[in-house]
Amino acid sequence: DADVTQTPRNRITKTGKRIMLECSQTKGHDRMYWYRQDPGLGLQLIYYSFDVKDINKGEISDGYSVSRQAQAKFSLSLESAIPNQTALYFCATSDTRTSGRSEQFFGPGTRLTVL
Amino acid sequence: GEDVEQSLFLSVREGDSSVINCTYTDSSSTYLYWYKQEPGAGLQLLTYIFSNMDMKQDQRLTVLLNKKDKHLSLRIADTQTGDSAIYFCAETVISSGSARQLTFGSGTQLTVLP
Repeated sequence: DADVTQTPRNRITKTGKRIMLECSQTKGHDRMYWYRQDPGLGLQLIYYSFDVKDINKGEISDGYSVSRQAQAKFSLSLESAIPNQTALYFCATSDTRTSGRSEQFFGPGTRLTVL
Repeated sequence: GEDVEQSLFLSVREGDSSVINCTYTDSSSTYLYWYKQEPGAGLQLLTYIFSNMDMKQDQRLTVLLNKKDKHLSLRIADTQTGDSAIYFCAETVISSGSARQLTFGSGTQLTVLP
């Protein structure tokens, strides 16, 4: 969805490096999410944020941190990247006002390779 | 805990119907979803069904929900090569603080053969 953008789209880095993935949205949604996708494992939730002051860990938050700089921006950091963090990372948004229907809108993804 | 299961692969001939199946575990799910992921792209919502419905039809897509068996299916009629993609089933679950989250299945890779 063009309303949710991610930068960079591709990144190759080395073990031990710090890296930040950024997500911006123009949908006006209050909720934002970070997922990672590994082949055959579907999407796993890393962190989610219901507003600027509300950050929550997902099922696989170890080794990751996030920052919600504004309602429209949610960044994911790998403080010291390791090879098993090689994956496709997706940002998503949703709107509390859809009440109950947790429909999420996804960015195009960032392919991260850690050597 | 929550678990959503799908078979990993499905191949069909162009023009045939495709049926992608999913089982879920959370009986309190209020909405269930089907997302489509084309190569190199993010997930796009295809359709969703509210838990008090048995069936929903939207053009070539038919969603069937069996709440008793916690089984969801997506039927694509007259499958085309452009339907080749990964299809994800997802359910809403209540996480901490009553917040609603999505739990995704592993995705089914649909390949449409000419």
